[in-house]
Amino acid sequence: EPEVTQTPSHQVTQMGQEVILRCVPISNHLYFYWYRQILGQKVEFLVSFYNNEISEKSEIFDDQFSVERPDGSNFTLKIRSTKLEDSAMYFCASSGLALPGYPDYEQYFGPGTRLTVT
Amino acid sequence: AQSVTQLGSHVSVSEGALVLLRCNYSSSVPPYLFWYVQYPNQGLQLLLKYTSAATLVKGINGFEAEFKKSETSFHLTKPSAHMSDAAEYFCAVSEGGYNKLIFGAGTRLAVHP
Repeated sequence: EPEVTQTPSHQVTQMGQEVILRCVPISNHLYFYWYRQILGQKVEFLVSFYNNEISEKSEIFDDQFSVERPDGSNFTLKIRSTKLEDSAMYFCASSGLALPGYPDYEQYFGPGTRLTVT
Repeated sequence: AQSVTQLGSHVSVSEGALVLLRCNYSSSVPPYLFWYVQYPNQGLQLLLKYTSAATLVKGINGFEAEFKKSETSFHLTKPSAHMSDAAEYFCAVSEGGYNKLIFGAGTRLAVHP
């Protein structure tokens, strides 16, 4: 069964360092998303991506954040200079063309990357 | 703007008892509504969704939810709780299509023997 995968599962970094979180969306999906969940808080939308460009972004997604689809399979979130408040679980999701057994519009989530900034 | 309110951050039920998790939404357009479940150290799994078809939606693991426009609610129910239902449950709203999901704060469900 196709699924969204994310690497690494846990990333520890020092404040001010750059991190890249990686996601492999479901093959043939066209819409990609990043969400984050700070410990004990709700899941928050960061950005959506379609046709190699950002389709929507939240207030959280400032100049320190960027997304990229460097090849046909990966979707990455980069944080240029991490802050303590960036510590969270980051979820990637994908959605897109209807596949047998996979209804349209449904967003499929990966298991998340826990980012800890020290 | 859309928003979701989940009443009760923690709900505890006995095994075999009715599960009722409350969700109210606010939306200026006809909403698409979702319930997701998150087990410890795992991602979000879709339980069920409402996309303007039948108002009573059946999902996986015996869960169902009813869309009530007049009450702006989309409460999640299960007739008989199982120990394996212990998890965090998130209600979410969307404008539909491939738009972003707006999540509620979540309800942690505990099931005790």
